[in-house]
Amino acid sequence: GENVEQHPSTLSVQEGDSAVIKCTYSDSASNYFPWYKQELGKGPQLIIDIRSNVGEKKDQRIAVTLNKTAKHFSLHITETQPEDSAVYFCAAAYYGQNFVFGPGTRLSVLP
Amino acid sequence: ETGVTQTPRHLVMGMTNKKSLKCEQHLGHNAMYWYKQSAKKPLELMFVYNFKEQTENNSVPSRFSPECPNSSHLFLHLHTLQPEDSALYLCASSQETGQAYSGANVLTFGAGSRLTVL
Repeated sequence: GENVEQHPSTLSVQEGDSAVIKCTYSDSASNYFPWYKQELGKGPQLIIDIRSNVGEKKDQRIAVTLNKTAKHFSLHITETQPEDSAVYFCAAAYYGQNFVFGPGTRLSVLP
Repeated sequence: ETGVTQTPRHLVMGMTNKKSLKCEQHLGHNAMYWYKQSAKKPLELMFVYNFKEQTENNSVPSRFSPECPNSSHLFLHLHTLQPEDSALYLCASSQETGQAYSGANVLTFGAGSRLTVL
């Protein structure tokens, strides 16, 4: 079955700096890769996603890149702000089924 | 408010108790899910319902019993749980399962029910 690894497990950055979180997946059939943000006391919330027919997607300060050959995808957050502090999860899925999540990255943005 | 409401938000129960978790979605979705979130572990899929039919049971112990009376409501009935079952239980919904390259893939999560088993 699919296995998703995520690194780093914790990340601290200064406000205004960039943050990068990387995920690898094992099943080359996976074709949908969402990223979720979970704030304290809340459920995960989708922040950006990418499908396997696209190499990069950007939404304001957030971007995701996908390398199908290497089976890895990354989340990039630029100009980080304190409200970006949260746990971020990547996931891989096949046609909306069998979502497999990474273990999460705790991001702390220091003022 | 994400459109997926879970109650109760917190639950403490003994190993011999019977309790239920409730999930309601107001998004018009047809698929609903139960996930278990334990500390320092990936989200674990427990059950999937698509159009009220259970389509996946991810080897979950029988002390967890799901119920989906309609596409908007999902329950997780709990009985004779173990302390290691203490976790955050998350409900999610999506338009459907198995749809390619469409918004149907998107999972919307509730805030979760924090369960403590004594």
